[in-house]
Amino acid sequence: DAGVIQSPRHEVTEMGQEVTLRCKPISGHDYLFWYRQTMMRGLELLIYFNNNVPIDDSGMPEDRFSAKMPNASFSTLKIQPSEPRDSAVYFCASSLEGTPTGEQYFGPGTRLTVT
Amino acid sequence: GQNIDQPTEMTATEGAIVQINCTYQTSGFNGLFWYQQHAGEAPTFLSYNVLDGLEEKGRFSSFLSRSKGYSYLLLKELQMKDSASYLCAVWNSGYALNFGKGTSLLVTP
Repeated sequence: DAGVIQSPRHEVTEMGQEVTLRCKPISGHDYLFWYRQTMMRGLELLIYFNNNVPIDDSGMPEDRFSAKMPNASFSTLKIQPSEPRDSAVYFCASSLEGTPTGEQYFGPGTRLTVT
Repeated sequence: GQNIDQPTEMTATEGAIVQINCTYQTSGFNGLFWYQQHAGEAPTFLSYNVLDGLEEKGRFSSFLSRSKGYSYLLLKELQMKDSASYLCAVWNSGYALNFGKGTSLLVTP
C-alpha cells in the first residue's frame, strides 16, 4: 500500500487567499484525521471522520476552516481566507476501526506558509 | 480538559540508555501511545499501553501507571538515528488522540 497520501507537500500563499489541502487515506481505513503542528502548540487535532461522516470538529480553530470527505478515498481541508497565523504543517492520518491499539498512520504532511 | 507534559529537550550519548517521561491528566483514558517523529517527517507509531506495566519491543520499552497518570519511554543502546522528537499521546475518547508537545532527543557520539 502507498500509505496516506497528501498534496501538495508545500504551499506558499498570500494572506487572504484560499488554500485547499488534500488527503487520500489508506485503502480500507474508515477513520480519517486532520492535525496541525506548530512549534508553539505541538500536534493538534482539528477534525476527524468515521465512514466519511465528521465526528468531532471541536478542534477547528474558526469558521475560516472547513473539511469535507466526499468519499472513502478523499478528504480536503480548506482555509478561506488564509492568515499568517495559519502557517504550520498539516498532517492527515487514517486508522482502522476495531484495532485495539487505534494506531494511526500519518501522511507526509503539507507545509503551509502564509505571507 | 486535559494536560499532557513531557520534557522539551533531552541529550544522551550513543550506546547509553535514556528515559523520556510523560505525565497526563485527562477526563477519560483508553490507552497511551508513543510516536517517533524525525525532523521534517511524519510521526510513526512506537508503542501502545492500556494496562499498567512495562511493554518491551526490541530496544524500546514503554511503561504505564494509570493511577499515577504517568508513562515513560525507555530507549536502550542508543543509536544516532534515534535523534528525533518523541510524542506522548493519550487516547481518551472516541478515536481521537491528544498529543503532548513532544520531547526532542539528541543523541551525541
